[in-house]
Amino acid sequence: DAGVIQSPRHEVTEMGQEVTLRCKPISGHDYLFWYRQTMMRGLELLIYFNNNVPIDDSGMPEDRFSAKMPNASFSTLKIQPSEPRDSAVYFCASSTGQSPTTDTQYFGPGTRLTVL
Amino acid sequence: GQQVMQIPQYQHVQEGEDFTTYCNSSTTLSNIQWYKQRPGGHPVFLIQLVKSGEVKKQKRLTFQFGEAKKNSSLHITATQTTDVGTYFCAVNTGFQKLVFGTGTRLLVSP
Repeated sequence: DAGVIQSPRHEVTEMGQEVTLRCKPISGHDYLFWYRQTMMRGLELLIYFNNNVPIDDSGMPEDRFSAKMPNASFSTLKIQPSEPRDSAVYFCASSTGQSPTTDTQYFGPGTRLTVL
Repeated sequence: GQQVMQIPQYQHVQEGEDFTTYCNSSTTLSNIQWYKQRPGGHPVFLIQLVKSGEVKKQKRLTFQFGEAKKNSSLHITATQTTDVGTYFCAVNTGFQKLVFGTGTRLLVSP
């Protein structure tokens, strides 16, 4: 299996521009998670999906952030308009959701976003 | 919300020295996971602990879950340069949702 795939790997944009990050989870995984990692705030969960349905978006910082999962093999995280404080590494992760305890989460390589 | 503190934030050791990171929660945990993130990389799952007092080993790594299930530790014996990275604990807060600890960054000098 190719693992979780994210694109782009790096994104540099100017303040006010729209940014779209993409994720392809591992085939057969029912859960998809979006995280943001910064030095100041660590690794934060933004939103997660179960069978393409958003379950918890309480970590989404504000209305400028939105996430969709139109099908089991694709998800997007959109920031519009972007701001310099959105600069971070954004990770997508997926899990099977079949464990009676807590599943292992498999992380993608991340997208390093820089907003100038 | 759930907060998970890890100490120390950072540790620099000489190769061959031991290393321990601690994870503490104010609430009783159902289980705890540990992840490692290499510099420039992504978090990679190491292990999950479920039972009170559980101890698991992976080669030079020893993981413990406290008797009260409120804390956990990761101990590395005789560190190597390949152990460099940030170690995170992560706790389940329901429905497969994880909250990650603040992380301990380990630097190993040859």
